Amino acid sequence: DAGVTQSPTHLIKTRGQQVTLRCSPKSGHDTVSWYQQALGQGPQFIFQYYEEEERQRGNFPDRFSGHQFPNYSSELNVNALLLGDSALYLCASSLVGTGGTEAFFGQGTRLTVV
Amino acid sequence: SQKIEQNSEALNIQEGKTATLTCNYTNYSPAYLQWYRQDPGRGPVFLLLIRENEKEKRKERLKVTFDTTLKQSLFHITASQPADSATYLCALDPGNTDKLIFGTGTRLQVFP
Repeated sequence: DAGVTQSPTHLIKTRGQQVTLRCSPKSGHDTVSWYQQALGQGPQFIFQYYEEEERQRGNFPDRFSGHQFPNYSSELNVNALLLGDSALYLCASSLVGTGGTEAFFGQGTRLTVV
Repeated sequence: SQKIEQNSEALNIQEGKTATLTCNYTNYSPAYLQWYRQDPGRGPVFLLLIRENEKEKRKERLKVTFDTTLKQSLFHITASQPADSATYLCALDPGNTDKLIFGTGTRLQVFP
């Protein structure tokens, strides 16, 4: 079992550009959540996808959008990048309806906006 | 306002001692609380989950307590080793929907 995989591992983008990050959940998991982690901070919840729909969302602007595919993999898109979007982006997978079980995280994508 | 607070200062302890990390929260009533370990540049790794009706939970050298009256969880690592050096994050799920709210984490450094 490969666990949660994210790509790419590192990315450098210019302010104003758009970026797409990808995530494959752990085998058997149907729910994908995305988090943003700034340096020295804890992860902050961006949104969660289940059955190809956004199930819940954190306090992030509409520039942040996502998608979930029939195979449960997911993408995070960020438009009009700002310097403040530089962070480690984490994907976590879990099984819906099992609130109270562990979340499995990927290794993250380090995004640098210059 | 809702907050989860962990000691932002690094905790430095000697190998073999017990490390105790604190997580305090306000204006939440979580059904459970989780602890994760995070190494630099890596994603968090789940360690333990404790439910509101559990006072204490153990796993090998790890122990977690949960006091819903004090709104506090304590995380203990006994017989600490240099390999335990990492950042430890507490997290709660306010709506029991797998949306985790994390504290800022406490960096633990165990020196020989």
